Amino acid sequence: QAVVTQEPSLTVSPGGTVTLTCGSSTGAVTSGHYPYWFQQKPGQAPRTLIYDTSNKHSWTPARFSGSLLGGKAALTLSGAQAEDEAEYYCFLSYSGARVFGGGTKLTVL
Amino acid sequence: EVQLVESGGGLVQPGGSLRLSCAASRFTFSSYWMHWVRQAPGKGLVWVSRINSDGSSTNYADSVKGRFTISRDNAKNTLYLQMNSLRAEDTAVYYCATSISRLFYWGQGTLVTVSS
Repeated sequence: QAVVTQEPSLTVSPGGTVTLTCGSSTGAVTSGHYPYWFQQKPGQAPRTLIYDTSNKHSWTPARFSGSLLGGKAALTLSGAQAEDEAEYYCFLSYSGARVFGGGTKLTVL
Repeated sequence: EVQLVESGGGLVQPGGSLRLSCAASRFTFSSYWMHWVRQAPGKGLVWVSRINSDGSSTNYADSVKGRFTISRDNAKNTLYLQMNSLRAEDTAVYYCATSISRLFYWGQGTLVTVSS
């Protein structure tokens, strides 16, 4: 089964920009993996931020954006706020199976 | 608002079995794929299994294949996960989830602890 890799942790300054990435052991991540990005805060269920690489839901703050970058899925946060401190998970679709990345703990400091 | 309520978690000995349930409401349950996702204490999300709308197609993570069985009863609006040959590493909060219009909805989770 595929392994999906993310940075274990990243730190961003308030107002700064950071990019989280999501790679696949099977090769380049493409739109055919239908990348999702979830945000999870302690004690809460995950919340969908991005679906199908770059699409946002109505509650997704405009400062979040999704893309494909260098063979990986990417989540970019521009203008970080304290409330963005959370764990972020990517989620990829393979034929049949689905796989989460290990998560990136984002600290806003 | 979509509602998913898991139940059936608890303490079980290694090698034992447990059946989780997920009661769905406020959406047309019989129209959507359903998933089980787990999260060990302090760890990340792990996809476990999924089932299609009529129950005819299922997929599993390698780590549970042959031990866990996902099923559904569309007449009862309920999703199940039968877990056999449980191991300590299966200890986690188990969430049921569904994707509607590309948005994932999650239950609150039920804790399964595998320990002697």
